[in-house]
Amino acid sequence: QVQLQESGPGLVKPAETLSLTCTVSGGSIINYYWSWIRQPPGKGLEWIGYLYYTGITNSNPSLKSRVTISADTSKNQFSLKLNSVTAADTAVYYCATDSRDGYIDALDIWGQGTMVTVSS
Amino acid sequence: QSVLTQPPSASGTPGQRVIISCSGSSSNIGSNTVNWYQHLPGTAPKLLIYNNNQGPSGVPDRFSGSKSGTSASLAISGLQPEDEADYYCAAWDDSLNGFYVFGTGTKVTV
Repeated sequence: QVQLQESGPGLVKPAETLSLTCTVSGGSIINYYWSWIRQPPGKGLEWIGYLYYTGITNSNPSLKSRVTISADTSKNQFSLKLNSVTAADTAVYYCATDSRDGYIDALDIWGQGTMVTVSS
Repeated sequence: QSVLTQPPSASGTPGQRVIISCSGSSSNIGSNTVNWYQHLPGTAPKLLIYNNNQGPSGVPDRFSGSKSGTSASLAISGLQPEDEADYYCAAWDDSLNGFYVFGTGTKVTV
């Protein structure tokens, strides 16, 4: 069974870049789509974007100019970079995937989530 | 700002049936399938329903989904205390080069 684990700094300064990694275990990153989702405190879920292992990406129009999602197939990991962060980017960040080969949106496997706070 | 609108809250007593609505538009629910997630505080969201009405393995059949036009709904039958959680609908939106959108979320109280 595929498992996901997010990792990265829990505190990021305003205007800097938030960087998170999701490590995939129990399966290969190849042939699947990998997503990032976040939840600000007291608010709902927000889709950030997805990556296909070949490098194809798509992201939320509201974040597109600041988001980079990439994969390292040799490490079975994928990453999120969000630049020019503000306090509004404070959230629990999740990585997730649809375990059906070639499908994107039925996110049935999730990491436990990691809290990132933007503060000086 | 989500384009999928849900009621902020819903409630029921154990054993009752609760229905949560999700209202969208032609660019999302009207042309794509709907998924539903259950989110308990401090845990990862859990997929409850995919493809409008399909339940993943392990999800009790008390949870059911339906879709009609640009709206969808999640029904919880035989409500149980452990069903107290936040519920989100989600779907692809075909506008702006396509993006995935979650609903505004509904807090279910038992």
